[in-house]
Amino acid sequence: EVQLVESGGGLVQPGGSLRLSCAASGFTFSSYWMSWVRQAPGKGLEWVANINQDGSEKYYVDSVKGRFTISRDNAKNSLYLQMNSLRAEDTAVYYCARHNPQLAYFDYWGQGTLVTVSS
Amino acid sequence: EIVLTQSPATLSLSPGERATLSCRASQSVSSYLAWYQQKPGQAPRLLIYDASNRATGIPARFSGGGSGTDFTLTISSLEPEDFAVYYCQQRSNWPPLFTFGPGTKVDIK
Repeated sequence: EVQLVESGGGLVQPGGSLRLSCAASGFTFSSYWMSWVRQAPGKGLEWVANINQDGSEKYYVDSVKGRFTISRDNAKNSLYLQMNSLRAEDTAVYYCARHNPQLAYFDYWGQGTLVTVSS
Repeated sequence: EIVLTQSPATLSLSPGERATLSCRASQSVSSYLAWYQQKPGQAPRLLIYDASNRATGIPARFSGGGSGTDFTLTISSLEPEDFAVYYCQQRSNWPPLFTFGPGTKVDIK
């Protein structure tokens, strides 16, 4: 059974940093592109970043470029999101999601971790 | 950048009724169009991929159609568990950037 379990969310002050983790199991993690998708309270879904199988390709939504870094450790079956210079508008539930092999959609999602940026 | 528009924003229907949700893209997305269902407090769940293919375990009352810029999600007869928010999603050619529509909420009339 495919499982994605996020952790690392919490309350952080504006300008602060946070590192999210996603532990994957039930599939060959190193064979899949992975993404982070977020959802602000009461709002819709926003794709944040993705990373290819070996970590050599990474893409970001414009609003987080230069502030967020996606990475992975295939030996640990883990995905990460390092978030720096956090802003109030980054407040959201952050989901880890697996891409289908054709990299067209998200076939499995974690349950999410809440990040709140507030003073 | 491709923008997805969903209509209506809210659809108020009764169990047993047919629901038709629309997703329109600002430019052609070929068949790279997916639909997700999200219930309160839960992660999204993939329903339809490549515009018209049901994901594993999705009931046959869910169907998707369309191509190019206009797509639909149809729920043939609403069950109580179908009242939720539905999002469409597309992928740009390259680099692989993803966008979601704003969502359609299907609520009980």
